[in-house]
Amino acid sequence: AQKVTQAQTEISVVEKEDVTLDCVYETRDTTYYLFWYKQPPSGELVFLIRRNSFDEQNEISGRYSWNFQKSTSSFNFTITASQVVDSAVYFCALSQEYGNKLVFGAGTILRVKS
Amino acid sequence: NAGVTQTPKFRVLKTGQSMTLLCAQDMNHEYMYWYRQDPGMGLRLIHYSVGEGTTAKGEVPDGYNVSRLKKQNFLLGLESAAPSQTSVYFCASSYGGGRPYEQYFGPGTRLTVT
Repeated sequence: AQKVTQAQTEISVVEKEDVTLDCVYETRDTTYYLFWYKQPPSGELVFLIRRNSFDEQNEISGRYSWNFQKSTSSFNFTITASQVVDSAVYFCALSQEYGNKLVFGAGTILRVKS
Repeated sequence: NAGVTQTPKFRVLKTGQSMTLLCAQDMNHEYMYWYRQDPGMGLRLIHYSVGEGTTAKGEVPDGYNVSRLKKQNFLLGLESAAPSQTSVYFCASSYGGGRPYEQYFGPGTRLTVT
């Protein structure tokens, strides 16, 4: 069975601080996909990134970066120089190679204070 | 281009009543999904469809039925609502054809069953 654990229920930071959101996953598959989604206060989920299990390169997109480590089954998300607009719930999710059925973690609430 | 829309946005039901949630997408996506979001549990897949006329059970299908008569629409039905079905319901859609693609989410429907 697949499982995603986001141990941090809520994180509060002050603007301009860096913050890392942890994601640990469990799967028996050798090929799988990992995702991060953002849910701002408006409620709609927004896709951030997709990564397959064979691509362990770290990814950077502006202030966002992702660290995928197969050895520890982790796919952590870092926001550099956080801003108030980053305040949201962030979900990590896992999918098998085929079928596109996502298994979500419980989410991490990020509060960025000015 | 409206993306994924959901109707209604809010609904209050009494135990035992029935209702249908409507999801529509205008991106010509093959796959569509219904999730429920509960505090501390992330999103859980209720049912999904890989094409017009097809449906399949997800992680938490009991108490729900779905239909996909047209490619662009995916209906979620509650035949006899229970308080345990109080939740926020999200519809999503994605491209099909094998490898998991990003899912596009609707704005959600907040359902309260009293």
